[in-house]
Amino acid sequence: DTAVSQTPKYLVTQMGNDKSIKCEQNLGHDTMYWYKQDSKKFLKIMFSYNNKELIINETVPNRFSPKSPDKAHLNLHINSLELGDSAVYFCASSEKGGGGLDEQFFGPGTRLTVL
Amino acid sequence: QKEVEQDPGPLSVPEGAIVSLNCTYSNSAFQYFMWYRQYSRKGPELLMYTYSSGNKEDGRFTAQVDKSSKYISLFIRDSQPSDSATYLCAPNRDDKIIFGKGTRLHILP
Repeated sequence: DTAVSQTPKYLVTQMGNDKSIKCEQNLGHDTMYWYKQDSKKFLKIMFSYNNKELIINETVPNRFSPKSPDKAHLNLHINSLELGDSAVYFCASSEKGGGGLDEQFFGPGTRLTVL
Repeated sequence: QKEVEQDPGPLSVPEGAIVSLNCTYSNSAFQYFMWYRQYSRKGPELLMYTYSSGNKEDGRFTAQVDKSSKYISLFIRDSQPSDSATYLCAPNRDDKIIFGKGTRLHILP
C-alpha cells in the first residue's frame, strides 16, 4: 500500500508543451512538498502546502503552478516546458511541516524529459 | 558559501570497511540534523536524525554532530553492498529543511 504515489513515473514531451504531475499521500499528513532533483542530483524544494495552504514558494519560474484540491493531493502543472525543466520531480509529505524533526516521506519520483 | 556542502563522491570502499560520510553547513540556526538515504531511481528515505551536538547510534550507523565547527558525520560500520546508495545530509530548523547534494557510496563485494 503506497504511502506517497506520483503519476506518471516517466514523462517525455516537447518544448513548449504544458504537462501535469499528480501526487497523492494516504498517510493523513498535513503538509506536502514538491522537490526538483537535477542531473547533478541536487534536491531542491520548490513548494510546500500545509492543509491546502501555500507555505513555501521558492524562486521558481511562474510557469510552475502547484494545486492542492485537498490535503491528500498536491499536483504540479508546468506551462511552456523548457529544456532546463528536465529533471526528476519528487513529491513528499510530512505530518506537520516546517522542518524540525518532522520526517518527510518521498514518492518514487517523476522523470521528466523535455526534448 | 552554500548552506550545506557535501563531497559528491563517488566513494568506493570494500565490503566490511568503516565508511565516513561528512557534511558542513553554514547556518548556525540549524538545530536538527537528518541523514536521508536514496537508492538509485528511488525517493530519499530518512535514515537517522539527531538534535543538537553529540552522537547517536542505530545499529551499524552512527550520526555525529559538532555544532561548534558546523560539521556533520555519518559512520557506517561493517558496510554491506546493500548500503550502496546516495546519502544526503539534511540540517534543518523549525521552518525549513535543506538537503545537501549527497555523497554517492558504492560498497564493493
